[in-house]
Amino acid sequence: GNSVTQMEGPVTLSEEAFLTINCTYTATGYPSLFWYVQYPGEGLQLLLKATKADDKGSNKGFEATYRKETTSFHLEKGSVQVSDSAVYFCAQVDSGGYQKVTFGTGTKLQVIP
Amino acid sequence: DAGVTQSPTHLIKTRGQQVTLRCSPKSGHDTVSWYQQALGQGPQFIFQYYEEEERQRGNFPDRFSGHQFPNYSSELNVNALLLGDSALYLCASSLQGLNTEAFFGQGTRLTVV
Repeated sequence: GNSVTQMEGPVTLSEEAFLTINCTYTATGYPSLFWYVQYPGEGLQLLLKATKADDKGSNKGFEATYRKETTSFHLEKGSVQVSDSAVYFCAQVDSGGYQKVTFGTGTKLQVIP
Repeated sequence: DAGVTQSPTHLIKTRGQQVTLRCSPKSGHDTVSWYQQALGQGPQFIFQYYEEEERQRGNFPDRFSGHQFPNYSSELNVNALLLGDSALYLCASSLQGLNTEAFFGQGTRLTVV
């Protein structure tokens, strides 16, 4: 079945450091790919998405590019802030139209001043 | 637009009891999915409702059941609660169709003692 694998955390960075969180997926078709963010004690918020190969999703300085050849969707940000501290989930939705979301295990990011 | 709303926010139940969680989807959405997120893990798909019927189900026992009402709101019922059912339960709503985005509620934190 479909699955998502993302790098384990926690990741600790200093403010203004460069962030990369790796994510790879397995799928039988051509899924849509997402990054969700979860702040402490809260639900999930969609951070960005890409629906087809070579698409780049971006939001709030975060970017991720849908790489079909490497089945990857790595999350990047050039300069992190303390307010970016959260858990980040890579996810996919299969192409069957049922909007079932398959999540990775999450990567906790802590940004220190 | 209130987005996806879930109730209650927190709940404490005793092992063996039954619980009902509620979800109101985002305005205009017709599909509701439920997820279980154990502490430190990614959300796991429980099931999805569309047109008042369960359309897809994850790897959860029959103790987990649900319902969707004509106004698209939904309930998740869990019978014979186990300690291992303690988790954050997330509801997501979407619009039927390809490549549509799922919007998540803030979740219900269930603690079984």
